Amino acid sequence: KAGVTQTPRYLIKTRGQQVTLSCSPISGHRSVSWYQQTPGQGLQFLFEYFSETQRNKGNFPGRFSGRQFSNSRSEMNVSTLELGDSALYLCASSLADEGNTIYFGEGSWLTVV
Amino acid sequence: GNSVTQMEGPVTLSEEAFLTINCTYTATGYPSLFWYVQYPGEGLQLLLKATKADDKGSNKGFEATYRKETTSFHLEKGSVQVSDSAVYFCALSDLNNDMRFGAGTRLTVKP
Repeated sequence: KAGVTQTPRYLIKTRGQQVTLSCSPISGHRSVSWYQQTPGQGLQFLFEYFSETQRNKGNFPGRFSGRQFSNSRSEMNVSTLELGDSALYLCASSLADEGNTIYFGEGSWLTVV
Repeated sequence: GNSVTQMEGPVTLSEEAFLTINCTYTATGYPSLFWYVQYPGEGLQLLLKATKADDKGSNKGFEATYRKETTSFHLEKGSVQVSDSAVYFCALSDLNNDMRFGAGTRLTVKP
């Protein structure tokens, strides 16, 4: 069974631009969550989607948004990029059942210059 | 709210040494507990998990026991290898599927 797939793996953007990252969950998984990982702040929760609805949200500004499609694939968007948005963005999927094991993709490395 | 506290790193050990990475949690109810590992340049991988008190999760020689009385889930391995060098994250998930991660502990194993 294929794992969580994230695209693109690496990208470089300029301050002020926007970026869209994509995530395909494991087949059958309906929950997709996103995390930002930086050396200084560690792993921070962005948001979680289940059946196309945002179910949980972390403490990030409104420039960070996401959505989930009917096939459970998800995208996250960051607008008006800032240098501090440079990070590894990780997507994870789960069945959202009891025990809630989440499975991560390899991440998208975003560098803002 | 729920939270996870794990020992700060970095941890540096010689090959074949015994490893312990401490993890304690704060949560209402009975969360599930996890250890994830992140190798350089990769995403996080599930290492092991335990879903109820006194359960022991184990994988690849690593073990952790869910101790409700001490709210702990310490990771142990009897003999580490150079290939175990990575960052280890302790995490919990409650009944609402709210997932919380610790800050991560970087382990370096030297030959």
